[in-house]
Amino acid sequence: DAKTTQPTSMDCAEGRAANLPCNHSTISGNEYVYWYRQIHSQGPQYIIHGLKNNETNEMASLIITEDRKSSTLILPHATLRDTAVYYCIVRVANTGNQFYFGTGTSLTVIP
Amino acid sequence: GAGVSQSPSNKVTEKGKDVELRCDPISGHTALYWYRQSLGQGLEFLIYFQGNSAPDKSGLPSDRFSAERTGGSVSTLTIQRTQQEDSAVYLCASSFSGETGYTFGSGTRLTVV
Repeated sequence: DAKTTQPTSMDCAEGRAANLPCNHSTISGNEYVYWYRQIHSQGPQYIIHGLKNNETNEMASLIITEDRKSSTLILPHATLRDTAVYYCIVRVANTGNQFYFGTGTSLTVIP
Repeated sequence: GAGVSQSPSNKVTEKGKDVELRCDPISGHTALYWYRQSLGQGLEFLIYFQGNSAPDKSGLPSDRFSAERTGGSVSTLTIQRTQQEDSAVYLCASSFSGETGYTFGSGTRLTVV
């Protein structure tokens, strides 16, 4: 699976949009972009995934560039409970391939 | 159950003892993964089960580690002759075959003293 690059840490003011970037310049045509987050002392939580179209669900939006070499996870109105480590992962869907969790981005939402 | 259940939530063991960690996946989920996470580190893949296929054991760090999945449901991860470097949170995840996101349990925190 392709590797991803994320900033180590980010801050965001409570109530503002949090935009978390991810570079995946070597992504293959059949690899999806997945986002998970891990709140302290809990297991990772699935957020969203996409192939090439932008996606939105009740938790977040995923914007994927046209060349698919990068993406941005958007939390539209960050709350204190969104403070977590956010992992961007690329993986071929519908296979047994494991998820490779890198070091992620540590997002701190500030009151 | 509604989620992935892991037991025990915490385990303290003496160096050299064997431990068994249990994972109850979401009913109907055919795929099951074990990961571990050392303090302040990312997640490390250990093993993957998919239906009746042979498990992918490529992530097991040594032959002291083994896992089984009985009846396609409950899984146990066994660590023999535990060492201090085995101390970590052991996480289990399950999903329907090859689909979207995986649901993780809350993990078992293993401390080897």
